[in-house]
Amino acid sequence: AQKITQTQPGMFVQEKEAVTLDCTYDTSDPSYGLFWYKQPSSGEMIFLIYQGSYDQQNATEGRYSLNFQKARKSANLVISASQLGDSAMYFCAMREGQGSARQLTFGSGTQLTVLP
Amino acid sequence: EAGVVQSPRYKIIEKKQPVAFWCNPISGHNTLYWYLQNLGQGPELLIRYENEEAVDDSQLPKDRFSAERLKGVDSTLKIQPAELGDSAVYLCASSFGPGNYEQYFGPGTRLTVT
Repeated sequence: AQKITQTQPGMFVQEKEAVTLDCTYDTSDPSYGLFWYKQPSSGEMIFLIYQGSYDQQNATEGRYSLNFQKARKSANLVISASQLGDSAMYFCAMREGQGSARQLTFGSGTQLTVLP
Repeated sequence: EAGVVQSPRYKIIEKKQPVAFWCNPISGHNTLYWYLQNLGQGPELLIRYENEEAVDDSQLPKDRFSAERLKGVDSTLKIQPAELGDSAVYLCASSFGPGNYEQYFGPGTRLTVT
């Protein structure tokens, strides 16, 4: 079974609108972390936001927030007030177990295009 | 603060030729990762180093791929001989170590095997 599933290969959003990128995950480990990365056409993976499995509150970082629904095993990324520079590939990833040195498992990504 | 540095950014080689990629992690980061990213997919881990020790190389095709991290700083990933299916982006990432959750990625090396 896929550990990380991103069901939206591509998404379009109008500039200044909000957009939600879906991510569901599968793990039996009670301790895990969920990450979102942005990959522009230049290729570099840019860390956006992190949610720990024991965190009580949804993570937020500026215009990014993570809608964490543990029972549904979903960790959707919400980008508010989209900007043209947000156009990129977005990857959801999971790390299972304790410690930062565990590997990240990535989803297949969602290509976001922000329209002017 | 300088980010993760990778070189070259692009490489085109013929099949059966050798190729090497270099990565310099963020200063002070003890953990270094090499990922393979095929077109339209997310990165997949090839190997992880803790200082100079390879602690997870289960997904590294050892018949043709090798890696080293001498002195626990920069690292080299080698393919010999390259095959057509090796065409991909090779990403290097680093993290501080236990207690720090972020992996910082370099820009990657795009390999084309013809």
